[in-house]
Amino acid sequence: QVQLQESGPELVKPSQTLSLTCTFSGGSISNGDFYWNWIRQPPGKGLEWIGYIYYSGNSFYNPSLESRVAISVDTSKNQFSLRLTSVTAADTAIYFCARSMVYSMYFDSWGQGTPVTVSS
Amino acid sequence: DIQMTQSPPSLSASVGDRVTLTCRASQTISNYLSWYQQKSGTAPKLLIYSASTLQSGVPSRFSGSGSGTDFTLTISSLQPEDFATYYCQQGYMAPYTFGQGTKLEIK
Repeated sequence: QVQLQESGPELVKPSQTLSLTCTFSGGSISNGDFYWNWIRQPPGKGLEWIGYIYYSGNSFYNPSLESRVAISVDTSKNQFSLRLTSVTAADTAIYFCARSMVYSMYFDSWGQGTPVTVSS
Repeated sequence: DIQMTQSPPSLSASVGDRVTLTCRASQTISNYLSWYQQKSGTAPKLLIYSASTLQSGVPSRFSGSGSGTDFTLTISSLQPEDFATYYCQQGYMAPYTFGQGTKLEIK
């Protein structure tokens, strides 16, 4: 049974860096059939795709966040991570990690989500 | 970016009703369309991918159709556990975008 679990600080100060990690279990993150994604949902709003990484380290980001975001992968730990710099209140959201198929970008497995609040 | 527009924004229905939710893309996306169900405080759950393929474990009362720009999600007979918010998502072109959701409420 595949599982994804987000972890990281739930409170980040404005202008600082948000850092989250997603741990995958029930398989190998090095499986070439999948991309590993971050998606977020501001309170009471819809879903925004942030970006993905492949096990090889290749990544692709939403242009709206590209200047501030980096996603990395650690295959030895079966983990991938999100860094979002220069955060503001607009970055307050629930952050989900999710798996998608390489050949068709739908998200078949999700973490439970972790709330992150940007506030001083 | 491809804009995804869902209608209606909210819908009141009764157990046993047949309901149809609509999603429209701002440009053609072939059949790269997925539907998700999200209940309050939980992660979205994949229901349908490739416009009409039912995800494993999802009840057969859920079905999807459409191609190009217009898509529908139909629930043939609403069950109490189906009251939730439903999102469509295009996987045709990055950035991969979601609709704003349709909230399905109990009448």
